[in-house]
Amino acid sequence: GNSVTQMEGPVTLSEEAFLTINCTYTATGYPSLFWYVQYPGEGLQLLLKATKADDKGSNKGFEATYRKETTSFHLEKGSVQVSDSAVYFCALSSGGSNYKLTFGKGTLLTVNP
Amino acid sequence: DVKVTQSSRYLVKRTGEKVFLECVQDMDHENMFWYRQDPGLGLRLIYFSYDVKMKEKGDIPEGYSVSREKKERFSLILESASTNQTSMYLCASSGGVRGQPQHFGDGTRLSIL
Repeated sequence: GNSVTQMEGPVTLSEEAFLTINCTYTATGYPSLFWYVQYPGEGLQLLLKATKADDKGSNKGFEATYRKETTSFHLEKGSVQVSDSAVYFCALSSGGSNYKLTFGKGTLLTVNP
Repeated sequence: DVKVTQSSRYLVKRTGEKVFLECVQDMDHENMFWYRQDPGLGLRLIYFSYDVKMKEKGDIPEGYSVSREKKERFSLILESASTNQTSMYLCASSGGVRGQPQHFGDGTRLSIL
């Protein structure tokens, strides 16, 4: 079956630090990969996505590259801000039910001024 | 922009009550989903629907049912609420094309007393 493993949190950084949140997956077929962000008290928002190998998704300074050879989709940002404090979820859709998502457990990021 | 609207942000009910959570989307999406989110457990899929009047069980359907009489509306029903159903409930919708993301509502924080 499908599964997503992302680094355990919480992650605490100072403003302007470099961020990496690791995500690896197991999937049948050729999955589409997503990063979602959840700010306190809100639902999930799509941050970025990639649908085929070597695609790079990017948004709001965040990037992630679909690496088929290492089955990874790591989230990076060069310089985090306090406003980036949130929970980040890696997810994939694959197989016959290509509209269902499999989520990682989420990583809490706190950015201090 | 896709809008997914959940009827209540906060809800308090009593044990044994029948509880209805409503979700409406405005993008004519085929697929709709109900998740619950609990600390340490991430997001778990309760039910989803891929068409009007069609539904499938997710990972944790016990104690819940759903209704989709119109394409834009997907209801989650707690037949007889129990304290272990206290949780954050998230609704989502998506189109039926490979790689399309799910779009989430803001969530309903439900407390069962």
